[in-house]
Amino acid sequence: DADVTQTPRNRITKTGKRIMLECSQTKGHDRMYWYRQDPGLGLRLIYYSFDVKDINKGEISDGYSVSRQAQAKFSLSLESAIPNQTALYFCATSTGSADTQYFGPGTRLTVL
Amino acid sequence: GQQLNQSPQSMFIQEGEDVSMNCTSSSIFNTWLWYKQEPGEGPVLLIALYKAGELTSNGRLTAQFGITRKDSFLNISASIPSDVGIYFCAGRRIQGAQKLVFGQGTRLTINP
Repeated sequence: DADVTQTPRNRITKTGKRIMLECSQTKGHDRMYWYRQDPGLGLRLIYYSFDVKDINKGEISDGYSVSRQAQAKFSLSLESAIPNQTALYFCATSTGSADTQYFGPGTRLTVL
Repeated sequence: GQQLNQSPQSMFIQEGEDVSMNCTSSSIFNTWLWYKQEPGEGPVLLIALYKAGELTSNGRLTAQFGITRKDSFLNISASIPSDVGIYFCAGRRIQGAQKLVFGQGTRLTINP
């Protein structure tokens, strides 16, 4: 079984809809991250959490929110999806320092 | 915003050729990482560098932490078809939050 899992793997939704992306990990790591990937832009950090209930904004947090209710789970929400949020979303985990991050398989989100 | 410039953005090579790519920054970094992403998957860590001037190998891959702390290089020798993918550099700055900054990626295509 994969150490970092993301659900759903693919999602198509309409503008204005609320969407939640889930991330679960069995690595026992305390730190979790949400990234967005767009062609030609690499990975950009949306939010990160160093522990349960700890939430920090990343580079591009506007339009997103997150929840870290348990060490193993970190969810990303789009309260009102818009087309320019169409992207590939990755969850990652790490422990101790942020040097080595382990990524999930990604969620491809399309907002029509 | 993005502070790592990765080049080239794409490479088309023949099987057996050597590959070189690099990442530069306007800021000093104290950690450089190189990741590879294959289609439908999240990035996987290839090499981690922690000291200026450090040269580290992982099989046919060799990466170097630049002396100025503002750049890093990745070389792949004798490329094979399974080297195809997108390669990302990532760094952690000395100042600022403990999170990674990613380059835009280098897409490697290999002609057999």
